[in-house]
Amino acid sequence: DGGITQSPKYLFRKEGQNVTLSCEQNLNHDAMYWYRQDPGQGLRLIYYSQIVNDFQKGDIAEGYSVSREKKESFPLTVTSAQKNPTAFYLCASTGQGSSGNTIYFGEGSWLTVV
Amino acid sequence: GENVEQHPSTLSVQEGDSAVIKCTYSDSASNYFPWYKQELGKGPQLIIDIRSNVGEKKDQRIAVTLNKTAKHFSLHITETQPEDSAVYFCAASRRGDGGFKTIFGAGTRLFVKA
Repeated sequence: DGGITQSPKYLFRKEGQNVTLSCEQNLNHDAMYWYRQDPGQGLRLIYYSQIVNDFQKGDIAEGYSVSREKKESFPLTVTSAQKNPTAFYLCASTGQGSSGNTIYFGEGSWLTVV
Repeated sequence: GENVEQHPSTLSVQEGDSAVIKCTYSDSASNYFPWYKQELGKGPQLIIDIRSNVGEKKDQRIAVTLNKTAKHFSLHITETQPEDSAVYFCAASRRGDGGFKTIFGAGTRLFVKA
């Protein structure tokens, strides 16, 4: 089945560590996104990529980094510079054409700092 | 900047009653308005969407209305069931530089009491 796969579902990070969240899609979508969701809050855009080898900062990019080496993959690294990383992270993608602005989400990854 | 306001933040209804969630957007160029349902610990799922060339769309117990003049759109759920309990997000989207720009509301937590 086509979709977006995020891993791991749960991740624990020690202070000062970098961690990487994986996101893979088999929808043949060009654009991919990372959102952060804090408990009881809405969605905030971290980074997005419209095409392979290109990406742009969203509203809260500080302390995060991404890469887009393949169309299917858009990993997110939460660096030690992110002071409050505990949150639910959502990867998403959009396709082309008239439905190109319909966002499809993965199942999310929980990151907790211990 | 552009924003989407969503009300109420919490809504509690009795099973079988109707639920209405309202959103207001500021960017008059927005032309696509999706609604997402998010269950606890999962990614948001698209439940219905509407484009600016129509005023209403219905899918079984769910309907969405759009008033472009007033920049309002609403989600209506009839004959609510306990499994409708979730967080609902509205969004407003338009084509921007290099792709689509989508802004989400803060979410409404819906409780359906059996």
